[in-house]
Amino acid sequence: EPEVTQTPSHQVTQMGQEVILRCVPISNHLYFYWYRQILGQKVEFLVSFYNNEISEKSEIFDDQFSVERPDGSNFTLKIRSTKLEDSAMYFCAVKGGFGSGTQLSVL
Amino acid sequence: AQKITQTQPGMFVQEKEAVTLDCTYDTSDPSYGLFWYKQPSSGEMIFLIYQGSYDQQNATEGRYSLNFQKARKSANLVISASQLGDSAMYFCAIEDNNDMRFGAGTRLTVKP
Repeated sequence: EPEVTQTPSHQVTQMGQEVILRCVPISNHLYFYWYRQILGQKVEFLVSFYNNEISEKSEIFDDQFSVERPDGSNFTLKIRSTKLEDSAMYFCAVKGGFGSGTQLSVL
Repeated sequence: AQKITQTQPGMFVQEKEAVTLDCTYDTSDPSYGLFWYKQPSSGEMIFLIYQGSYDQQNATEGRYSLNFQKARKSANLVISASQLGDSAMYFCAIEDNNDMRFGAGTRLTVKP
């Protein structure tokens, strides 16, 4: 049983559009992580989130990205003005568990 | 500096044999956690095993065991009695200082 569920499983968007990826934890977790994995490449850390605040972020996580926990349960990653190179699998994770990922395709 | 290093891009093992996947790490935080994940061709990330930095014994989960050598900063994954279904990418990860970073991964191929 996954610790988190992610929606959607696939998202196709036009370059320049905004996308919101969602993550819902199954049980109470303090830390949340977002990762990106370009096809065939390593898992790249984007950001960690603790107690409704960003705890740590990587050099990849620039102004194009933002994270929120709008209602205390859902946990979102927003990508503003998507670029072709944003095409990747995006994973939400908690300690010891990954969501099934959202495959983002930017056309 | 690289926080987590997997030096084996690919490994082969004969079915039913044991295999060790290497992982070394670097951290100044005395409290950290080490994880191994399996990623099959379908893409999902499957949690395998966890070792805390203060754990006295090496972690084991079924056919998976973690050879934790703290002084050497290594956390190798040992898979015993390999099965064809073990063929996948394997990622080592370290959680410390509020983030969790992954190694580049090792592609394991189990041969019949």
